[in-house]
Amino acid sequence: GAGVSQSPSNKVTEKGKDVELRCDPISGHTALYWYRQSLGQGLEFLIYFQGNSAPDKSGLPSDRFSAERTGGSVSTLTIQRTQQEDSAVYLCASRKTSGGSYEQYFGPGTRLTVT
Amino acid sequence: GESVGLHLPTLSVQEGDNSIINCAYSNSASDYFIWYKQESGKGPQFIIDIRSNMDKRQGKRVTVLLNKTVKHLSLQIAATQPGDSAVYFCAENTGANSKLTFGKGITLSVRP
Repeated sequence: GAGVSQSPSNKVTEKGKDVELRCDPISGHTALYWYRQSLGQGLEFLIYFQGNSAPDKSGLPSDRFSAERTGGSVSTLTIQRTQQEDSAVYLCASRKTSGGSYEQYFGPGTRLTVT
Repeated sequence: GESVGLHLPTLSVQEGDNSIINCAYSNSASDYFIWYKQESGKGPQFIIDIRSNMDKRQGKRVTVLLNKTVKHLSLQIAATQPGDSAVYFCAENTGANSKLTFGKGITLSVRP
């Protein structure tokens, strides 16, 4: 079946511009996560959505970062006034919360380059 | 703070040999551990997981060992193949929103 998809795959933007990154989770997965991966680093948690509950925003690095999840499915991560240090791969993952598994299924990521 | 870390940044093995990738964790409350493989330009892919009430779990060519006494996790890959070349991440779950805390990753390079 279809996995997690993300768009765009690559995004180059000028410093100070706003960007929107999109994530389409696996159908039926109620949990959705955003991570950031800098070059040669591990995954840094950003935000978590679970059903209709308030999102866990504890990983967002600044108020320039925000995310929405509409209708419990598609999610958009927005970065306002981008800075060069925002350059990274942004990964989305979804999880099926029934069945007791913690496995997260990852999309291919969006590579963001801020010039 | 609590962290998950990997002992070595890179590992080079001969094709056909067994590989062992080690990971240390510091959060004794972690109840679930998972290994991911990430190939260049792709998102992480699930390899194998283990719950804290287990010591060992086997999959196809892979085995995960958990030593809670010393807070150590390892991934063993039997008969390593060129397709196993990738970055490997261990991650732990502490139960809070099922957030996984990832280590920095180790690069496995398989020599032909």
